[in-house]
Amino acid sequence: DAKTTQPNSMESNEEEPVHLPCNHSTISGTDYIHWYRQLPSQGPEYVIHGLTSNVNNRMASLAIAEDRKSSTLILHRATLRDAAVYYCILRDVKTNFGNEKLTFGTGTRLTIIP
Amino acid sequence: GAGVSQTPSNKVTEKGKYVELRCDPISGHTALYWYRQSLGQGPEFLIYFQGTGAADDSGLPNDRFFAVRPEGSVSTLKIQRTERGDSAVYLCASSYGVPDTDTQYFGPGTRLTVL
Repeated sequence: DAKTTQPNSMESNEEEPVHLPCNHSTISGTDYIHWYRQLPSQGPEYVIHGLTSNVNNRMASLAIAEDRKSSTLILHRATLRDAAVYYCILRDVKTNFGNEKLTFGTGTRLTIIP
Repeated sequence: GAGVSQTPSNKVTEKGKYVELRCDPISGHTALYWYRQSLGQGPEFLIYFQGTGAADDSGLPNDRFFAVRPEGSVSTLKIQRTERGDSAVYLCASSYGVPDTDTQYFGPGTRLTVL
């Protein structure tokens, strides 16, 4: 699996936007970019994913660079409940059954300051 | 609807003992995954089931670890002769098993402590 690089930690003030970066310079053309987050004492939860175009959902937005070598997860208005570890994960779209695992790195620990 | 559930939530055992960890996936999900998470690390893949069969067990660290899913629903992760290094949070996830960008839904995990 192609490797991703994220900052170990970030801080943001409550009610302000947060931009979480992810570098994936060795991404292949068939890799989707997925984001999961893990709140304290919980299992990871899906946030968003995309291939080439920017994506929006109720939780966040995903901005993907034109060369796809980096992406940014955007939380438009951070709340205290957004404090979590955020993982950027690449998944090859050309997977057959038997290769669906998620490969997590160490992620970015996001702290929200009240 | 009900999410992925795992039992027990906490398990404390002594070195050398046998433990079983249970996972109840979301109803209708054909794919089931086990991961292990050590303190300060991201989850690490152990094994993946598609239906009743283990489609990928490449993450199992050694032959002390074994998992079953006999009826294609509930799964049990079995650890023999536990060692202190097995202490971690064991996470289970399930999905519809559709290739491509299938979303995995995780349970809260079982915290295993080997004394």
